[in-house]
Amino acid sequence: AQSVAQPEDQVNVAEGNPLTVKCTYSVSGNPYLFWYVQYPNRGLQFLLKYITGDNLVKGSYGFEAEFNKSQTSFHLKKPSALVSDSALYFCAVALNKFYFGSGTKLNVKP
Amino acid sequence: GAVVSQHPSWVICKSGTSVKIECRSLDFQATTMFWYRQFPKQSLMLMATSNEGSKATYEQGVEKDKFLINHASLTLSTLTVTSAHPEDSSFYICSSPLSQSDTQYFGPGTRLTVL
Repeated sequence: AQSVAQPEDQVNVAEGNPLTVKCTYSVSGNPYLFWYVQYPNRGLQFLLKYITGDNLVKGSYGFEAEFNKSQTSFHLKKPSALVSDSALYFCAVALNKFYFGSGTKLNVKP
Repeated sequence: GAVVSQHPSWVICKSGTSVKIECRSLDFQATTMFWYRQFPKQSLMLMATSNEGSKATYEQGVEKDKFLINHASLTLSTLTVTSAHPEDSSFYICSSPLSQSDTQYFGPGTRLTVL
C-alpha cells in the first residue's frame, strides 16, 4: 500500500534558526514529490516539487527540500525560520493520484 | 499560477438539509477535478474525482448517494452533500489535476458545519 509519513505532529523552532520538517514515503515506482503549506481555514498552497534531476529542490518563500532515494525521504528545510512560516505543512506524493502525509504543524516563536 | 475558487467559503446548515459547494477553475479548463475532505488537524482524504461529461469516480468507502458530484462544464464542478448530518461537518477542498507544469492547484476550501 502507498503511504506518506510525517513523523512529527508539531515542530517548534525559534525565529532565525533553521527548520526541518520530515517526510518519508513508501510507494511503488518513481513518484512525484510535493510540499504544500496550509494556513487556517485556507486551501493548500504549493511550495515545491521534485520530479527528476537535482536532489535539492528550491521553492517558494525560501524553502527547499532534499530528495533522498535510498532513504525514501523528502524533508523540507529552511535556513532561517520566520514567525510568518507558522502553519500546517503537508508532504504529498503523486502517482496516479495524490497521497498526503498527516501534516506537521510548524510553530516559529519570536 | 492557475486559480481555483470555491463557493461558499463557509456554510452552516441544519441537519437533514442539502448543501451545494461549487468549485470553479478561473483561468483554465479542466476535464477532471478532485474533491477532498479534511477533518480538523488531519490530512486530506480524496473523496472522488469529477469527470466532465460523465459520472464521478468515488474512492472506496465514500457514499455516492450522499456526496453527489457533478462536473457541469470545463470550469465548474459541484459537490452536494445530501441530507447532511453533524458528522458531515468538515472542510471540503477541490483541486485541479496535475497541470502541464506538474503542479496541482487547490481551492481555498469550504467549511461545512451541520447543526
